[in-house]
Amino acid sequence: GENVEQHPSTLSVQEGDSAVIKCTYSDSASNYFPWYKQELGKGPQLIIDIRSNVGEKKDQRIAVTLNKTAKHFSLHITETQPEDSAVYFCAASLNNNDMRFGAGTRLTVKP
Amino acid sequence: DAGVIQSPRHEVTEMGQEVTLRCKPISGHNSLFWYRQTMMRGLELLIYFNNNVPIDDSGMPEDRFSAKMPNASFSTLKIQPSEPRDSAVYFCATSGGNTGELFFGEGSRLTVL
Repeated sequence: GENVEQHPSTLSVQEGDSAVIKCTYSDSASNYFPWYKQELGKGPQLIIDIRSNVGEKKDQRIAVTLNKTAKHFSLHITETQPEDSAVYFCAASLNNNDMRFGAGTRLTVKP
Repeated sequence: DAGVIQSPRHEVTEMGQEVTLRCKPISGHNSLFWYRQTMMRGLELLIYFNNNVPIDDSGMPEDRFSAKMPNASFSTLKIQPSEPRDSAVYFCATSGGNTGELFFGEGSRLTVL
């Protein structure tokens, strides 16, 4: 089955700096790659996703890139703000089923 | 819509007791997933249903765990008997249509003493 690895496990940045989180996946058949943000005491929420027919997608301060050949994808957050502090999870799946998550990255944005 | 509703939000029980966690999916969503979250293992997929039918339960750790979806608006995850290592946050998530987005409930935090 799919195996997703995520790095780093913790990331601390100054407000205004950029943050990058990287993931690799094992199953070349996977075609859907979402990113979720989890705040304390809540369930994860989708913030952005990308499908295998696209190399990059951007939504305001958040962008995701996908390299199918290398089987890795990354989350980029620019101009970070304290409210971006949370745990971020990458995930991979085939046709929206059997979603497998990375181990998570705890992002801290220092004011 | 109120989103995915899970109950109880917190449960503390003693080893050997039966635990039942409940989930009400978003109306119209035809896929339902149960995940377990721990510090050591992250978010683990336990089982998922499509149109109330269990599709893959390979993530269910042991026979002590069972899940049902008797209809489109209700699912349960049962642990019998419970053990301290089952302590975790259990999430129910649902999806509908072709977007692939999972909508998570707020989780049920289980502590087995």
